[in-house]
Amino acid sequence: DAGVIQSPRHEVTEMGQEVTLRCKPISGHDYLFWYRQTMMRGLELLIYFNNNVPIDDSGMPEDRFSAKMPNASFSTLKIQPSEPRDSAVYFCASTVNQNTEAFFGQGTRLTVV
Amino acid sequence: KNEVEQSPQNLTAQEGEFITINCSYSVGISALHWLQQHPGGGIVSLFMLSSGKKKHGRLIATINIQEKHSSLHITASHPRDSAVYICAVPPMNNTDKLIFGTGTRLQVFP
Repeated sequence: DAGVIQSPRHEVTEMGQEVTLRCKPISGHDYLFWYRQTMMRGLELLIYFNNNVPIDDSGMPEDRFSAKMPNASFSTLKIQPSEPRDSAVYFCASTVNQNTEAFFGQGTRLTVV
Repeated sequence: KNEVEQSPQNLTAQEGEFITINCSYSVGISALHWLQQHPGGGIVSLFMLSSGKKKHGRLIATINIQEKHSSLHITASHPRDSAVYICAVPPMNNTDKLIFGTGTRLQVFP
């Protein structure tokens, strides 16, 4: 398996534009997590899914953020409209279950200007 | 106070030195994760442990559940060990989630 795959690796967009980040988890992993990393706040959990179902979205900062997992091999994190304070690195991670190690994607570096 | 505290925040060392990074947490947990984030940004899981000690190459992780403390040791450090090391715990009340420490930035000079 190629690991957790995220795209794009880098995204630069103008304020107000819609941004979509994509993630392909490792096959067979039942859990998928979206994290955001900033210098000020470190790594923060935004939302996670178990078997494609959103379990906890309490970390999603605002209604501008939404995430979906239409099937076991694909998830998206969407920001609409984007703002400069959304600039961060967004990581996707997957695990077999809550008792196993997490595998992280390479991250998407988002810059909103 | 953060639920997961790491020390030191920054650490510099000469190649060959023995490194220790500490992690203390205030929540009840069943396991603890050590992660490594290289300058390129990717995050790799180093260890997941719930008791005692684990060793992988030059890396050793220990945990004391009663004292709510874990350490990550690097023996014979090398410049390629330069990275940010992050401690993370899944709290007992929700073992699906991870709470992260702020990380320890390690630089090893030749």
